Amino acid sequence: DTGVSQDPRHKITKRGQNVTFRCDPISEHNRLYWYRQTLGQGPEFLTYFQNEAQLEKSRLLSDRFSAERPKGSFSTLEIQRTEQGDSAMYLCASTTGKRGQETQYFGPGTRLLVL
Amino acid sequence: DQQVKQNSPSLSVQEGRISILNCDYTNSMFDYFLWYKKYPAEGPTFLISISSIKDKNEDGRFTVFLNKSAKHLSLHIVPSQPGDSAVYFCAASARETSGSRLTFGEGTQLTVNP
Repeated sequence: DTGVSQDPRHKITKRGQNVTFRCDPISEHNRLYWYRQTLGQGPEFLTYFQNEAQLEKSRLLSDRFSAERPKGSFSTLEIQRTEQGDSAMYLCASTTGKRGQETQYFGPGTRLLVL
Repeated sequence: DQQVKQNSPSLSVQEGRISILNCDYTNSMFDYFLWYKKYPAEGPTFLISISSIKDKNEDGRFTVFLNKSAKHLSLHIVPSQPGDSAVYFCAASARETSGSRLTFGEGTQLTVNP
């Protein structure tokens, strides 16, 4: 069990550029979640997948954001035309989704800075 | 609409004493509660959880208490150690209605002084 991994750990980009983050969940976990955390706040839910199906998206996820989990394993989160307000820590978490095993385990996060 | 609230932004305790972190929620559909610990520039680390059918869960130095009627939970750490210094987040989910997505509080910075 290698835990949840995220890549890159840090990303600095200029406003208007596109960025893509990757998350590799714990191997037997069917559910994968994306959250965003800004300074002084708790993480906020963005979206989640059950296997390859994206089941829910937060209103925080504007049309510049898209997430995929093509084979039900790793996931990507893309932000198009980045804005300074997108600067945040982007966190990925996974869980089995089974009753009684709902604990979500988080990756180390990707810290995005938009200049 | 802040459904999960941690009213104390910070808490300072002496090593060896008890740390008590508090959390209130408003959504009566929440049925699963968790505490996470977070260091700067890292992801949250799971500490302990409790289902709404219980009022207490204990794991080593960590105990979580749930008072459903008051919509309040607390995390007790005893004895506190300097390595416990971190930001602690309370989180809640409604497992049947929202895919177990977590709603977090704002966090409490715990400092344990040697």
